[in-house]
Amino acid sequence: QSALTQPASVSGSPGQSITISCTGTNTDVGGYNFVSWYQQHPGKAPKLIIYDVSKRPSGVSNRFSGSKSGNTASLTISGLRTGDEADYYCSSYTRSSTYVFGTGTEVTVL
Amino acid sequence: QVQLVQSGAEVKKPGASVKVSCKASGYSFTGYYMHWVRQAPGHGLEWMGWIIPSSGDTKYAQRFQGRVTMTRDTSINTAYMEVTRLRPDDTAVYYCARVGVSDDYWGQGTLVTVSS
Repeated sequence: QSALTQPASVSGSPGQSITISCTGTNTDVGGYNFVSWYQQHPGKAPKLIIYDVSKRPSGVSNRFSGSKSGNTASLTISGLRTGDEADYYCSSYTRSSTYVFGTGTEVTVL
Repeated sequence: QVQLVQSGAEVKKPGASVKVSCKASGYSFTGYYMHWVRQAPGHGLEWMGWIIPSSGDTKYAQRFQGRVTMTRDTSINTAYMEVTRLRPDDTAVYYCARVGVSDDYWGQGTLVTVSS
């Protein structure tokens, strides 16, 4: 199972919106609505920010939103803040009843 | 409150085995899958597998099959993950994680260093 493909880095200015893509295949992202997104700050454990493609866990800011089209899922961060600087990973359930993470995206706030 | 507390850092030689523990508290241990995820230094997250604590059933990522074993002891609410035939590229932080439908809890991570 190959890792899902994400851009290595995305940057934006405070207040702007950015979008991170996550591309898989029809055996993972495209086949199920079980895509999650995680935020990871340096030296910390990952934190779930989106599950089931577009749902937000309790307590997660509504500045984070998710969507999916075909084999590509997307995470949008609106109203970018310096605290959003982190690594972001997508994850998907797969046809093999396993999970796979994306390659990860470093978000920089300029 | 939900807590996952992992065992401490390990240093192992190539070819050896390591067993990491993850003690759960604050919730029904048998009610949630336990996942294991690792992260090599400067690299991304890698899903290793899950165990169903109530039954002991497991599912491993294909690349770890035959080398990774996940077990649990429900009497002490603890999950274990053992890696055999360690290689230097197994050097990583290993996390246990309770990922529910709409929330997640992670252990603090266990650094396993494989070096001769």
